[in-house]
Amino acid sequence: AQSVTQLGSHVSVSEGALVLLRCNYSSSVPPYLFWYVQYPNQGLQLLLKYTSAATLVKGINGFEAEFKKSETSFHLTKPSAHMSDAAEYFCAVIPSSGSARQLTFGSGTQLTVLP
Amino acid sequence: DTAVSQTPKYLVTQMGNDKSIKCEQNLGHDTMYWYKQDSKKFLKIMFSYNNKELIINETVPNRFSPKSPDKAHLNLHINSLELGDSAVYFCASSHSGRNYGYTFGSGTRLTVV
Repeated sequence: AQSVTQLGSHVSVSEGALVLLRCNYSSSVPPYLFWYVQYPNQGLQLLLKYTSAATLVKGINGFEAEFKKSETSFHLTKPSAHMSDAAEYFCAVIPSSGSARQLTFGSGTQLTVLP
Repeated sequence: DTAVSQTPKYLVTQMGNDKSIKCEQNLGHDTMYWYKQDSKKFLKIMFSYNNKELIINETVPNRFSPKSPDKAHLNLHINSLELGDSAVYFCASSHSGRNYGYTFGSGTRLTVV
């Protein structure tokens, strides 16, 4: 079954520092990849998605992610962290072919931004 | 206008009770989903409906029964609630293509006491 692995269940960065959240997928055929953010006591909001067009994808709130087929990765980055970025981030995948069509989530990464 | 709305936002109930959660979307999507988020924040799909037809039914106790009266609504009914059912339940919707992201509701926090 298609899956994603998020390395690091907790990441802490200082305000203004680079944010890097890691996501790797596990299939030989590149899937469609998504990053979602969940603020406390809220639903999930789509940050960005990769759907086999440009490998560098820009999203909302200054986030971007780069699809690297050779590394089976889709890491999320932001050049300068803000306090408001503190949240839970989920990488998710939909297979690009086959019978399975649902969005499957990674285990999440809690981002803490230190003042 | 809220795109995907769920009611209620919070639900506290006793073991053995029956409860329902309602979901509505005004995005014109043809597919709707129920996800369960456990205490460790892990998200797992439960059900999916496309144009009122059940297309995904994961390994979920049959005490859980989804109902889709039309493609804009997907409700979740839970019979004989158990302590382990305590979680946050999210409704989502999307177009039926694989490359569309899902739009999520704000969740229903169910606490069974």
